[in-house]
Amino acid sequence: GDSVTQMEGPVTLSEEAFLTINCTYTATGYPSLFWYVQYPGEGLQLLLKATKADDKGSNKGFEATYRKETTSFHLEKGSVQVSDSAVYFCAILGNSGNTPLVFGKGTRLSVIA
Amino acid sequence: SAVISQKPSRDICQRGTSLTIQCQVDSQVTMMFWYRQQPGQSLTLIATANQGSEATYESGFVIDKFPISRPNLTFSTLTVSNMSPEDSSIYLCSVEWLAGGLFFGEGSRLTVL
Repeated sequence: GDSVTQMEGPVTLSEEAFLTINCTYTATGYPSLFWYVQYPGEGLQLLLKATKADDKGSNKGFEATYRKETTSFHLEKGSVQVSDSAVYFCAILGNSGNTPLVFGKGTRLSVIA
Repeated sequence: SAVISQKPSRDICQRGTSLTIQCQVDSQVTMMFWYRQQPGQSLTLIATANQGSEATYESGFVIDKFPISRPNLTFSTLTVSNMSPEDSSIYLCSVEWLAGGLFFGEGSRLTVL
């Protein structure tokens, strides 16, 4: 079945550092790819998504590019802020109508001033 | 880690009826979340359920339609009231674990005829 492998955390960065959180997936066909974020004390929120190869999703300074050739969807941000401290989840959605979202295990990011 | 049991796992319901989904966690947790995944879509947070207080609903979701109970630290229920075919979805219970992981139940797949 579909699966997601996500970089293990925790990740601790200084403010304004460059962020990369790796995510690779295994799936048949052409799944849709997502990054979700969970801020402390809150539920999961959709951060960005890409639905086809070479698409780039972006939001709040974060970007991720759908790489079919490497089955990857790495999350990047050029300059992190303390407010970016959260847990980040990579997820895939198969292209059959009733498949559930498959999540990675999450990566905790802590940004220190 | 947390083990989450949800039931029913699936059901077929008639328009206008209501269904209650149960979520049982094997350990005490402060926050529980209810999500909906409509066919072919990503997850949407319905509400956050804390023990001892009323659930907090996200925009577009109201208590009359999705009443939630949280009687103790290991259990919660979500009711889908006065169902219509548009309510056909997978409903997922989720908890946040100590190390920052997010655990989901297996989901309850509802089909409304």
